[in-house]
Amino acid sequence: SSELTQPPSLAVSPGQTASITCSGNKLWIKETSWYRQRPGQSPQLIIYEDFKRPSGIPDRFAGSRFRDTATLTISATQAVDEADYFCQVWDSHTLLFGGGTKVTVL
Amino acid sequence: VQLHESGPGLVKPLQTLSLTCTVSGQSISDASVYWTWVRQHPGEGLEWIGYIYFTGKTYYNPSLQSRVAISLGMSRNQFFLTLSSVTAADTAVYYCARVDCTNEACSYYHGLDVWGHGITVTVSS
Repeated sequence: SSELTQPPSLAVSPGQTASITCSGNKLWIKETSWYRQRPGQSPQLIIYEDFKRPSGIPDRFAGSRFRDTATLTISATQAVDEADYFCQVWDSHTLLFGGGTKVTVL
Repeated sequence: VQLHESGPGLVKPLQTLSLTCTVSGQSISDASVYWTWVRQHPGEGLEWIGYIYFTGKTYYNPSLQSRVAISLGMSRNQFFLTLSSVTAADTAVYYCARVDCTNEACSYYHGLDVWGHGITVTVSS
């Protein structure tokens, strides 16, 4: 399958760790990017090349990839982390997004 | 670097949707990036539409390829999206974004690192 599968939703308590998975056959060989989209805002790049963070993204955000699954981990979750998170891969000049995971901070 | 989408917010069915992305702070002739369009249907995820290199080389989502065209406007540092024969299924927020690719082959893909604010397009008669 060429799809990227994410859980639709995830609830986490403040201060706890949230782990968002992204699975798909392409992830065996392709690196993953992650985007955060806060309500009413444009997406924002938070992870690229599996684990690298753009300037300004706090180290509470960490990315990893193993076999066919990539994981975004948010440590010490805060209310401001409540958003939709999307994984994404680039493959031979084609971009593919996961369906997104809505993170709710209880 | 800032990107700004503009265009009509309402398009009639079967007509052509035309959007402009104006880039400031960077030349669209920069060889290290591609320029892309992404859309988001109401309440749904992100869908890549296609992207263009400064040479004019384009790549499109196969699901939209027959109806889409992306082009450059060098004189005004802009790039454009046209989507023909639109239907209600094309109602979405359309974003333009920069793709950090390092070169034309995209040897090192670094993601969509700058996004516009998005423009809502509704297809309705």
